[in-house]
Amino acid sequence: QQQVKQSPQSLIVQKGGISIINCAYENTAFDYFPWYQQFPGKGPALLIAIRPDVSEKKEGRFTISFNKSAKQFSLHIMDSQPGDSATYFCAASMMNTGNQFYFGTGTSLTVIP
Amino acid sequence: DTEVTQTPKHLVMGMTNKKSLKCEQHMGHRAMYWYKQKAKKPPELMFVYSYEKLSINESVPSRFSPECPNSSLLNLHLHALQPEDSALYLCASSASGVYNEQFFGPGTRLTVL
Repeated sequence: QQQVKQSPQSLIVQKGGISIINCAYENTAFDYFPWYQQFPGKGPALLIAIRPDVSEKKEGRFTISFNKSAKQFSLHIMDSQPGDSATYFCAASMMNTGNQFYFGTGTSLTVIP
Repeated sequence: DTEVTQTPKHLVMGMTNKKSLKCEQHMGHRAMYWYKQKAKKPPELMFVYSYEKLSINESVPSRFSPECPNSSLLNLHLHALQPEDSALYLCASSASGVYNEQFFGPGTRLTVL
């Protein structure tokens, strides 16, 4: 059973546009929601993360929006650049369960010049 | 030092070989993880070590044998692997406690012939 559902599977955006990736979860015990960025042949790198006590977190061009009642969270990439082309994974975890992450299925983002 | 290192970067082995993957971190993290990642898929958790003790084993076949010799080192011993075990093997670490951020290494690309 997929604990975290992610969409879309792939996304093509023009340079300068906004990229939006969505995730949904069922387990209300999740209390940490990170987004990871992965380039081909590399390990995932933490991009930004949020806890359920806030509805939005922004770091540079990257923003997480969190809707606790809908059990959804999304990543917005403003002014998307070709260098943002990568695979993005959302994840969820519960602090008191050995830090086990439940990853979404991933979104392959391509930003075209 | 906020880096997780993994060796080797690439490994090709036959089904009768015995080999080991190595992971090292010097961030003082007390939780370390092994993940397996197939192309275009999210990382799949294999093992979690917490304070050098195996805390999670996600029903991984016995041909994979983890070892945590000390708080900075994590090994994955491989024996009698199958071609379907070919994948990117990722190591990660995290601090125990409040923050769940997992730092991933670059991975070892394993090919089983």
